[in-house]
Amino acid sequence: DAKTTQPPSMDCAEGRAANLPCNHSTISGNEYVYWYRQIHSQGPQYIIHGLKNNETNEMASLIITEDRKSSTLILPHATLRDTAVYYCIVRDSLYNQGGKLIFGQGTELSVKP
Amino acid sequence: DVKVTQSSRYLVKRTGEKVFLECVQDMDHENMFWYRQDPGLGLRLIYFSYDVKMKEKGDIPEGYSVSREKKERFSLILESASTNQTSMYLCASWGGDQVYEQYFGPGTRLTVT
Repeated sequence: DAKTTQPPSMDCAEGRAANLPCNHSTISGNEYVYWYRQIHSQGPQYIIHGLKNNETNEMASLIITEDRKSSTLILPHATLRDTAVYYCIVRDSLYNQGGKLIFGQGTELSVKP
Repeated sequence: DVKVTQSSRYLVKRTGEKVFLECVQDMDHENMFWYRQDPGLGLRLIYFSYDVKMKEKGDIPEGYSVSREKKERFSLILESASTNQTSMYLCASWGGDQVYEQYFGPGTRLTVT
């Protein structure tokens, strides 16, 4: 599995966009980028995933660079409830991995009023 | 909208006790997982199960066993609890095939004294 590098912490003002970076320079062609988040005292929650193209859903947008060596998770209008640890995971499809995920240390995002 | 539930949010046990952590999912998923989460170590996979009565070891199975008698229920057993098993325990389920999302329970914070 490709190694990911994320900043340990970030701050964001409420109502502004939160841009969370992730470096994965050794990603291989069949590996996806998954994002999960974990709000304090809760289990992780799936946010979004992508392979090559940018993706958007009701929670966030995922921007993957053309060379796929890095990506950015964007929360367009951060709220206090978005304060959480965000995990970037690079992995082959869950099907090929038997559903197993490997979580690193993630980025602790603090959204401030 | 409850999908994965765990029997206790907080549990305190004594060293040497046998401990059962229960997890139930209501999504008819075949795949279920047990992780533990410790500061600085992230989430680590203990055991997983692809079907009823089937189980496989994850990365840190020592000191644990599991039981999957029914599809919806996956139990983690600490045969003789030790203080180094004090941790947050997270259960997850996955629908298989090309489903990309893994669903997590709220976690059980176990303290062994």
